[in-house]
Amino acid sequence: DGGITQSPKYLFRKEGQNVTLSCEQNLNHDAMYWYRQDPGQGLRLIYYSQIVNDFQKGDIAEGYSVSREKKESFPLTVTSAQKNPTAFYLCASSRPGQGAYGQYFGPGTRLTVT
Amino acid sequence: AQTVTQSQPEMSVQEAETVTLSCTYDTSESDYYLFWYKQPPSRQMILVIRQEAYKQQNATENRFSVNFQKAAKSFSLKISDSQLGDAAMYFCAYRSRAGTGNTPLVFGKGTRLSVIA
Repeated sequence: DGGITQSPKYLFRKEGQNVTLSCEQNLNHDAMYWYRQDPGQGLRLIYYSQIVNDFQKGDIAEGYSVSREKKESFPLTVTSAQKNPTAFYLCASSRPGQGAYGQYFGPGTRLTVT
Repeated sequence: AQTVTQSQPEMSVQEAETVTLSCTYDTSESDYYLFWYKQPPSRQMILVIRQEAYKQQNATENRFSVNFQKAAKSFSLKISDSQLGDAAMYFCAYRSRAGTGNTPLVFGKGTRLSVIA
């Protein structure tokens, strides 16, 4: 079955450590996105990539980094520079010309930093 | 930049009744898409309904329908015959139709819907 996988579902890290969240899709979608969800804040865009080896910053990119070496993969690194990293992170993907269908979302990763 | 506003942080509805969730947005574009997503306790985002701005007819998906008022920049969601499984967080989202259409979504802050048995 086609879809988006994010692993792990729950992730715990100590403050000061970098951590990488995985996002893989087998939908053959060109574009991939990372959103952060906090209580009462909705979903906010961190980074997105419309093609391999290219990505753009979103509204809250500070303290995060991404790479897009393969079409299927768009990992997100939460660096120690991110002041409030504890949140729920959602990865999504979409195909060109199908903007009307919105985006497909993964199940999310809950990151807790203590 | 586009913005989406959901003015109702929480709503409740009796089972089998009808409820309407509000959404307004701000944009200078004339062509775009609007969506309602549902996020149940599992936190999986589920597309409920979509509307293309150039279509005047309001979208309908079974018990879900929208009231799209382009001039007023309003996009409300009506849920008829509410069921316990409708209890969730609902997000309104905007998508520009610029370029290939692979633009990010802009989300509102969400409305938490409770369904009372």
